[in-house]
Amino acid sequence: DGGITQSPKYLFRKEGQNVTLSCEQNLNHDAMYWYRQDPGQGLRLIYYSQIVNDFQKGDIAEGYSVSREKKESFPLTVTSAQKNPTAFYLCASSIGRRSSGANVLTFGAGSRLTVL
Amino acid sequence: AQRVTQPEKLLSVFKGAPVELKCNYSYSGSPELFWYVQYSRQRLQLLLRHISRESIKGFTADLNKGETSFHLKKPFAQEEDSAMYYCALKNTGFQKLVFGTGTRLLVSP
Repeated sequence: DGGITQSPKYLFRKEGQNVTLSCEQNLNHDAMYWYRQDPGQGLRLIYYSQIVNDFQKGDIAEGYSVSREKKESFPLTVTSAQKNPTAFYLCASSIGRRSSGANVLTFGAGSRLTVL
Repeated sequence: AQRVTQPEKLLSVFKGAPVELKCNYSYSGSPELFWYVQYSRQRLQLLLRHISRESIKGFTADLNKGETSFHLKKPFAQEEDSAMYYCALKNTGFQKLVFGTGTRLLVSP
């Protein structure tokens, strides 16, 4: 069953704690993304990665970190420096840039993080 | 800077009525635009892209460069069309997508 798997689905965190959200894909996609979805604000890009061992900051990267050690995996760490971390986080992937489908994103089911 | 504007947070129509979800963009180059949809309890997914020039689930969208718009239209709304709709614009450089704030479509019986 091909697709993107995000875990956990729900996560609660105390203030001051770092948490890591998992994103795994078996689509053989080169590019992966993390978006944050807030009511009334749409989707905002946190980080993205075009290839393994490379990633770039998106529009709201402060307080977040990522790694891309494997093609299939793109975990996101929400650090204690993120001032307003309670949100719904979406991971996505797409085929490499030379494909006609390069701009078509496949999304995971999302992870909802709540800071207590 | 690239920007996508969806002016309506909520659009409520009756079944069988025409639907138009508005999307305006600002972009200095040649844009590539998309509509994504999120049905209740389902993942966000691609609905259509302007370069395909196709109709999906009865929806169409025409790129109007003069008005910098990419409105989504359907002549007769169905209850199953109720969902959150996002317009998206391909950013310069790599395939980053810039999303609008979304419009919730509610189709009542």
